[in-house]
Amino acid sequence: DAGITQSPRHKVTETGTPVTLRCHQTENHRYMYWYRQDPGHGLRLIHYSYGVKDTDKGEVSDGYSVSRSKTEDFLLTLESATSSQTSVYFCAISDQGIGYGYTFGSGTRLTVV
Amino acid sequence: KNEVEQSPQNLTAQEGEFITINCSYSVGISALHWLQQHPGGGIVSLFMLSSGKKKHGRLIATINIQEKHSSLHITASHPRDSAVYICAVNYGGATNKLIFGTGTLLAVQP
Repeated sequence: DAGITQSPRHKVTETGTPVTLRCHQTENHRYMYWYRQDPGHGLRLIHYSYGVKDTDKGEVSDGYSVSRSKTEDFLLTLESATSSQTSVYFCAISDQGIGYGYTFGSGTRLTVV
Repeated sequence: KNEVEQSPQNLTAQEGEFITINCSYSVGISALHWLQQHPGGGIVSLFMLSSGKKKHGRLIATINIQEKHSSLHITASHPRDSAVYICAVNYGGATNKLIFGTGTLLAVQP
């Protein structure tokens, strides 16, 4: 959907380097999420945001940090990439309230070599 | 142990068959989502439901809150339905976080 875009779509990086993934939305939704998807696991929450400058950890947050300085953008940073962070990363947005669904980005395939 | 269990993990069907994918969860929820992911593709939301039944084209989703169980049905299946189908639940709270099942890989053969 045009309402949410992720960049880059693919990235190969070396162990120990910092990496930043970007999620951009045009829907003005309050909630934004970063998930990772690995074989044998469901999508797992890394970090989420419930407003500008308001973020919190998910279940697999170690080694990751996030920032949200504007409603539209939610950045995920791997401070020092490791091979265990090779994964597909999905950003998602949701409007507040249980009555609103999720919209997912197209994903970023990250390979750490 | 994943709080959201899907079955089967893999499913192969012939074109035209009626397909059922099941999802069970452990505690009360506020809403349940069914999602579709084509190989190498993004994730698309199919349904969000908190009670009863929803229908969209050949897809039907049902939920039984008392039994903590949901099903996704595909009628008159087609090869283009081949994808991973993912169940996710929202246990409530202000942040709208989801817990995901591991998905069901469906292959519909012509």
